[in-house]
Amino acid sequence: QVQLVQSGAEVKKPGSSVKVSCKASGGTFSSYAISWVRQAPGQGLEWMGGIIPMFGTSNYAQRFQGRVTITADESTSTAYMELSSLRSEDTAVYYCAETIVATDTRYYMDVWGKGTPVTVSS
Amino acid sequence: VIWMTQSPSLLSASTGDRVTISCRVSQGVSSYLAWYQQKPGKAPELLIYAASTLQSGVPSRFSGSGSGTDFTLTISFLQSEDFAIYYCQQYYLFPPTFGPGTKVDIK
Repeated sequence: QVQLVQSGAEVKKPGSSVKVSCKASGGTFSSYAISWVRQAPGQGLEWMGGIIPMFGTSNYAQRFQGRVTITADESTSTAYMELSSLRSEDTAVYYCAETIVATDTRYYMDVWGKGTPVTVSS
Repeated sequence: VIWMTQSPSLLSASTGDRVTISCRVSQGVSSYLAWYQQKPGKAPELLIYAASTLQSGVPSRFSGSGSGTDFTLTISFLQSEDFAIYYCQQYYLFPPTFGPGTKVDIK
């Protein structure tokens, strides 16, 4: 069973960037995909993007395109999500999740990390 | 843009009840639908995928049905640990999107 350990809480200024890490243990890191999903306070879930480390390919939800970068380091079994040009509306808990690729870009999320709270405030 | 709705948004129930949550999608998604449970302060957990396939380790009191645009999550005999928020998620069209959630609380 894969376990995902995320980096700690962050407080950022508007306009800055944040980079959250997600270290996997168990399983074979490069054989599955990793998604990033965020949840604003009291709100629902929003898929941001994902990566398949084996292929090094990332794809992103259009609303985050140009602002989010998802990468993976196979040598350390760690995925990263960097979000730039932060604004107050980006305040949320950011989750990484082992992602099952049904076909092509059809993803559902299996094992989740515990989440990383990111607060954007001046 | 694909829209997802869930009903009810809030469901008050008692332990032992049979509860049903509906998820409706604005376009047909075949059976590419998953259900998650989220408890306060915790990450979501996968319950069901492919509309009706129970994830390993999930109690058999949970079941899913439906295809196309209308889906249902049923909890056959509600237990105390089942009070939580439930989300559906379609993965037929990119990007994957979630419903707004249904909160199941204690009556």
